[in-house]
Order: sequence, then C-alpha cells, then structure tokens
Amino acid sequence: GNSVTQMEGPVTLSEEAFLTINCTYTATGYPSLFWYVQYPGEGLQLLLKATKADDKGSNKGFEATYRKETTSFHLEKGSVQVSDSAVYFCALTGNYGQNFVFGPGTRLSVLP
Amino acid sequence: EAGVAQSPRYKIIEKRQSVAFWCNPISGHATLYWYQQILGQGPKLLIQFQNNGVVDDSQLPKDRFSAERLKGVDSTLKIQPAKLEDSAVYLCASSPMGAPGTQYFGPGTRLLVL
Repeated sequence: GNSVTQMEGPVTLSEEAFLTINCTYTATGYPSLFWYVQYPGEGLQLLLKATKADDKGSNKGFEATYRKETTSFHLEKGSVQVSDSAVYFCALTGNYGQNFVFGPGTRLSVLP
Repeated sequence: EAGVAQSPRYKIIEKRQSVAFWCNPISGHATLYWYQQILGQGPKLLIQFQNNGVVDDSQLPKDRFSAERLKGVDSTLKIQPAKLEDSAVYLCASSPMGAPGTQYFGPGTRLLVL
C-alpha cells in the first residue's frame, strides 16, 4: 500500500536559516503529493501540493518538487521565521483521490 | 465562507461506553473524510465519502466504528464500545470536486477514554 516517510524531528533552527524537511514515498500509479502544516493551537491546513512528476508546489516561501525518479517531495525554505514554527506533514493520495496517507510529521522550532 | 464544523470539541468517556462525533463540511464539498490522530502521529484515514457513498473505509475498525453521511452533507462517526486505545483527536475534513487531496480540516474532537 501507499506510505510516506519523513525525517524525524524535532528540527530546531535559528531565524533566517535554510530549511529542508525530507519526505519520501511509496505508491503505485501516479499519486499527488502534499505538505500540510499544523501551527500551534490551530487546525491542519494545506501548505502546498504537486499533482504530477517535476511539478513544483510553492506557498509562503516554501517549495517542494515532485521527484518521481527518487520518489521524494522534500520541503524547503530559504529563510525561516519564528512564525514558521509548526508541525509539517507530508502526504499523498492515489490516482483518483483515494487512499490518502499522511507521514508522521516533523516538528520545526525556529528560535529568534 | 464557513469552515468545517465539528462537535463536540472534547469528550471524556469510560471504556465500553459509546460516543458519537458530528461533522458539517464546507457547503458544496462532495468529499468528506474522517481521520484519527493519536498524539505524536500523523492523521490516519478512517473513512472517505464521496457524496453519500463510501470511497475508502479500509482502515476503519468495523467491529466498533461506524460512520454515515446521509443526504451527502453532514456526517456522524460512532464508536461502540470504546477502548482505551481509541483516545485520540478525531478530525473531519472536506474537499471540493476536482481537487482531490486538497482538504479543509475542522478543529477536531479530542476523545479521552478512561
């Protein structure tokens, strides 16, 4: 079945540091890939997505590229802020929007 | 636009009791999801509805969990009887047609089973 693996946290960075959170997946067919974020005290929300190979999703300075050859969808941001402190979840869904799977999440703490 | 509504927000019950959670998705969203999120883990999909039909319930423990979405709008998730390991946050999400996986989440119901 489908699965998602993320780098373990917590990740602690200083403000303005470069961020990478690794995500790899196992899936049949042509999944769509997502990053969701959960800020402290708030509900899950979509950060970005990519629906086919080589697509780049971007939002709020975050980017991730759908790499089919390495089955990866790593999240990057060039300069993190304290307000980026949250739990980040990599996720995928099957060809037709079924079998939605979340990774375990990576907690990011950004220090001033 | 109103978001996904869930109730109750918190529930404490004893093991072997039953409990029900309610979800009202964003108006017009055809797809509705129920997830279980245990502390420190990612959400696990329990059931996915498309209108009032079930798309995926492969991870729903059907001996104790049930869900329905009558009329293709709001939905109820029930646990009967509850076990200690059911303690978790139960999340409801909805998704518009044509955007599979783009989900809007409710605030969740935090369940504690004693």
